[in-house]
Amino acid sequence: AQSVTQPDIHITVSEGASLELRCNYSYGATPYLFWYVQSPGQGLQLLLKYFSGDTLVQGIKGFEAEFKRSQSSFNLRKPSVHWSDAAEYFCAVGALNTGTASKLTFGTGTRLQVTL
Amino acid sequence: KAGVTQTPRYLIKTRGQQVTLSCSPISGHRSVSWYQQTPGQGLQFLFEYFSETQRNKGNFPGRFSGRQFSNSRSEMNVSTLELGDSALYLCASSLGRAGGTSYEQYFGPGTRLTVT
Repeated sequence: AQSVTQPDIHITVSEGASLELRCNYSYGATPYLFWYVQSPGQGLQLLLKYFSGDTLVQGIKGFEAEFKRSQSSFNLRKPSVHWSDAAEYFCAVGALNTGTASKLTFGTGTRLQVTL
Repeated sequence: KAGVTQTPRYLIKTRGQQVTLSCSPISGHRSVSWYQQTPGQGLQFLFEYFSETQRNKGNFPGRFSGRQFSNSRSEMNVSTLELGDSALYLCASSLGRAGGTSYEQYFGPGTRLTVT
């Protein structure tokens, strides 16, 4: 069974500082990996995804993530955080096959607080 | 292109009642997935519908059911509501066909269900 671990429940960074959110996954085959962001009272917005090719993927809002198969990780990074980035971030994994790719397994989320 | 819409946005029901939630996917998307989000259990996959057929199912009791119409709109029904069913119910749509980017899921704003 696939699983996702986000070890950091809550992270606080200063505006302008760099950010890295950790995500480790467990899946037997090639995973389909996502990062989503959720603002209070809102749905999930897709930041970026990885399913093949270049292991460094670029997303929206200046975010990027690097897939490291040897470490089973897909960490999210941003070089300079803005106050508007304060939200909850979810890492998710899906199975890259026709039948179950839509059945995403989510991590427990990391709440990001940005101080001015 | 319009995003995923969910109605109603907020709902208050009494224990023992039943409820129906609605989801309209992005135009052209044929897959609709439903997720339950609670503070205790996080984001959990309920089921996925593709071309009016349930293609995947999560580990929820039979009180949770769904259906999809020929225009890809989907409804989710919960019968005999329990206090523990209070949650944010999120709907996501995707193209759902084979091919990596076809499985990107785009989420609606959710329906906040409160069971008293």
